[in-house]
Amino acid sequence: EADIYQTPRYLVIGTGKKITLECSQTMGHDKMYWYQQDPGMELHLIHYSYGVNSTEKGDLSSESTVSRIRTEHFPLTLESARPSHTSQYLCASSRNYGYTFGSGTRLTVV
Amino acid sequence: DQQVKQNSPSLSVQEGRISILNCDYTNSMFDYFLWYKKYPAEGPTFLISISSIKDKNEDGRFTVFLNKSAKHLSLHIVPSQPGDSAVYFCAASGTRDDKIIFGKGTRLHILP
Repeated sequence: EADIYQTPRYLVIGTGKKITLECSQTMGHDKMYWYQQDPGMELHLIHYSYGVNSTEKGDLSSESTVSRIRTEHFPLTLESARPSHTSQYLCASSRNYGYTFGSGTRLTVV
Repeated sequence: DQQVKQNSPSLSVQEGRISILNCDYTNSMFDYFLWYKKYPAEGPTFLISISSIKDKNEDGRFTVFLNKSAKHLSLHIVPSQPGDSAVYFCAASGTRDDKIIFGKGTRLHILP
């Protein structure tokens, strides 16, 4: 049974739309992360948070934004989706070491 | 510039034989290494890890070997089973609670 949940699993959306990808965890982890992954490529860290009201940008530049108002919730928002945003987005959380990943959101922008 | 490199995009192994997945890293500050397994349309799941103070860690059919001088680690799966067919990501971090850097992954096919 998953302890970290991502919704939606799949999303096809038109260019210019605003979207929010949801991520919630029930493990009480302070640290949460968003990774972006394209097929055959490494996972790239785009955002992370070490606790409530703490967010940082990752190694890969991203036009998305995140918020961390509650420990268990770490949503990612794209204000204006573009085809270049088509990718898989993976949310993860951690207490000390190692990550627990959600199932991911496969985003397609047409 | 990739800090964690998996140079084999794919690997095919006969069921029952040994699967060996390789990984190289460039950052000598890494001291914790992990392997994750990923099925299509799912998130990666943790498989096994090793600290830099060890050179081997074993968990059932899975063994990870670390060669610090060569900055190389490998994952051995024996015997290989059909359910092992997946993408395997090598990953590393500087401290046990630091951000994790991932390789590009190796797709493992277990042949019947």
